[in-house]
Amino acid sequence: DIQMTQSPSSLSASVGDRVTITCRASQGIRNYLAWFQQKPGKAPKSLINAASNLQSGVPSKFSAGGSGTDFTLTISSLQPEDFATYYCQQYNSYPLTFGGGTKVEIK
Amino acid sequence: QVQVVESGGGVVQPGGSLRLSCAASGFNFRTYAMHWVCQSPGKGLEWVASIRHDGSDKYYADSVKGRFTISRDNSKNTVYLQMDNLRAEDTAVYYCAKDSLSYSTGSYGDYWGQGTLVSVSS
Repeated sequence: DIQMTQSPSSLSASVGDRVTITCRASQGIRNYLAWFQQKPGKAPKSLINAASNLQSGVPSKFSAGGSGTDFTLTISSLQPEDFATYYCQQYNSYPLTFGGGTKVEIK
Repeated sequence: QVQVVESGGGVVQPGGSLRLSCAASGFNFRTYAMHWVCQSPGKGLEWVASIRHDGSDKYYADSVKGRFTISRDNSKNTVYLQMDNLRAEDTAVYYCAKDSLSYSTGSYGDYWGQGTLVSVSS
């Protein structure tokens, strides 16, 4: 199975900050990586597919990149609505696996 | 617009069974794989099972293999998760998600339902 490791597990940031979250796969997954945002009590929302493509309707303050085993998600200027938990997920092969999540909190 | 709506959750005793349903609309259901993903209280997302668009292939997490069965009825735009021999550790919100690519073996969920809570307790 492919293990997905996210770091950090949590971070505190201020409105307007730029933040970067890292996701590492235990083996190469090409660019078969998605990113999700989840707010408390809500379903996950798809943000990014194929490692770097924004889903329709997702604002351009979100950007992502990487290939193989190392991936990043960056939020360029944090806004109050961005405080949430972010997950990566590989879809290179079954079993599909998620990272443990990164909780972005207000400083 | 795309919608997926889960139902069927509830409280069940260990060893019991439950069948979850996921009704889909707003897209050509019969051409998309579907997924079930769960989230235990206060924990992260965990993939449970997936089924190809025509039901020809099914995939399961090791933790549920032999106990859960995923199926679909394309005439009803519905996917199911039959959960048998339930354990306390199966307690979670179960989400249904539409796959992003038509006719694929499965990728990621681009549209998710709001989830249904399954609680396994004596």
